Amino acid sequence: QVQLQESGPGLVKPSETLSLTCSVSGGSISSYYWNWIRQSPGKGLEWIGYIYYSGTTKYSPSLNSRVTISVDMSNNQLSLRLTSVTAADTAMYYCTSVVLGGDFFGIWGQGTMVTVSS
Amino acid sequence: SYVLTQPPSVAVAPGQTARITCGGHNIGIDGVHWYQLKPGQAPVLVVYDDTDRPSGIPERFSGFNSGSTATLTISRVEAGDEADYHCQVWDTNNDHVVFGGGTKLTVL
Repeated sequence: QVQLQESGPGLVKPSETLSLTCSVSGGSISSYYWNWIRQSPGKGLEWIGYIYYSGTTKYSPSLNSRVTISVDMSNNQLSLRLTSVTAADTAMYYCTSVVLGGDFFGIWGQGTMVTVSS
Repeated sequence: SYVLTQPPSVAVAPGQTARITCGGHNIGIDGVHWYQLKPGQAPVLVVYDDTDRPSGIPERFSGFNSGSTATLTISRVEAGDEADYHCQVWDTNNDHVVFGGGTKLTVL
């Protein structure tokens, strides 16, 4: 059973870059599409984007100019980078997986809370 | 862009049936998926592809999708079902994921 664990700094200053890592265990990183999803306080879930192990990516139009998702096959990790953050980027960030051929998120990490504040 | 509309809240008494809707233009032709979110816990997929349940999800959770509305039904509601529920589709035209705004289920 695939397990996901997010990690990263809990506090980021405005205008700086948010960087998170998701460690994948118990499964092949090449068998899934890897997604990042976030939930701001009091709001709904927001899809950030996905990456396939080949490097193919797709991002939410609202974040496309600031987001980069990458995968490190050798370490079984994926990463999220979000530049020029503001308070609106304060959220719980989740790493999730989509089985090839599927379009739903079957496995989620516990999430990591990121606060943007000076 | 694709928009999914959910009621902000639904409240039912224990033992009753809760119905949470997710509205979208022609949503009936898409596969709709539902997630349960509880504070401090990872989200849980409770229904996928409109009607299917992952292993471990009680039969009390069921889904239906037709026309412009998808519905998550929770029968014989228990206190432990109190959570936020979010619907989701994959907009294949744009290769984007869309979530509804979420519905808070309160067990009275």
